[in-house]
Amino acid sequence: GAVVSQHPSWVICKSGTSVKIECRSLDFQATTMFWYRQFPKQSLMLMATSNEGSKATYEQGVEKDKFLINHASLTLSTLTVTSAHPEDSSFYICSARDLAADYNEQFFGPGTRLTVL
Amino acid sequence: GQNIDQPTEMTATEGAIVQINCTYQTSGFNGLFWYQQHAGEAPTFLSYNVLDGLEEKGRFSSFLSRSKGYSYLLLKELQMKDSASYLCAAMDSNYQLIWGAGTKLIIKP
Repeated sequence: GAVVSQHPSWVICKSGTSVKIECRSLDFQATTMFWYRQFPKQSLMLMATSNEGSKATYEQGVEKDKFLINHASLTLSTLTVTSAHPEDSSFYICSARDLAADYNEQFFGPGTRLTVL
Repeated sequence: GQNIDQPTEMTATEGAIVQINCTYQTSGFNGLFWYQQHAGEAPTFLSYNVLDGLEEKGRFSSFLSRSKGYSYLLLKELQMKDSASYLCAAMDSNYQLIWGAGTKLIIKP
């Protein structure tokens, strides 16, 4: 089946630093990847839709200059949290859509838990 | 606007059956997904419905009524490991998933 990996699985950083999270589709090509954020006991919140070779589309209320997304290839998208602050601490999950799949299913990565001190 | 409604929390007994309902309103419709999410983990795919009716997959079944904007996930022979959050998501005309807040299912012995 389709596999999506994320790296790192967890990260602890100091306030003001930047953190990069990688999302890779391991065995399929994904022209579209999605970045979600999930706070404890809340549902997934879509942050942005990332299309290979073009600028990401950000959801309302998500700062594009703070959450930099790059989708340089069909198998890799990166999310950089710039100048992270404690309120950015969350579970960040990416998903990728398999073009060859029958019904546009999104396959999720295992998530990255970010803690900003 | 687009909206997904599902109960916040449900409790059931090991070995029993539970039905988790979901109603949706979206701009266009390209299918209804159910995902399972254990605490601290990413969601995993359970089912997809785009046509009316019941799709059965082992202990789990999913039903869709497009005219009513309604779906349910049916879990049979509940096991303790089924304790998780169950997320309903509808795909709109832009193939974007609109997510519900999730239903936390608690299984008691």
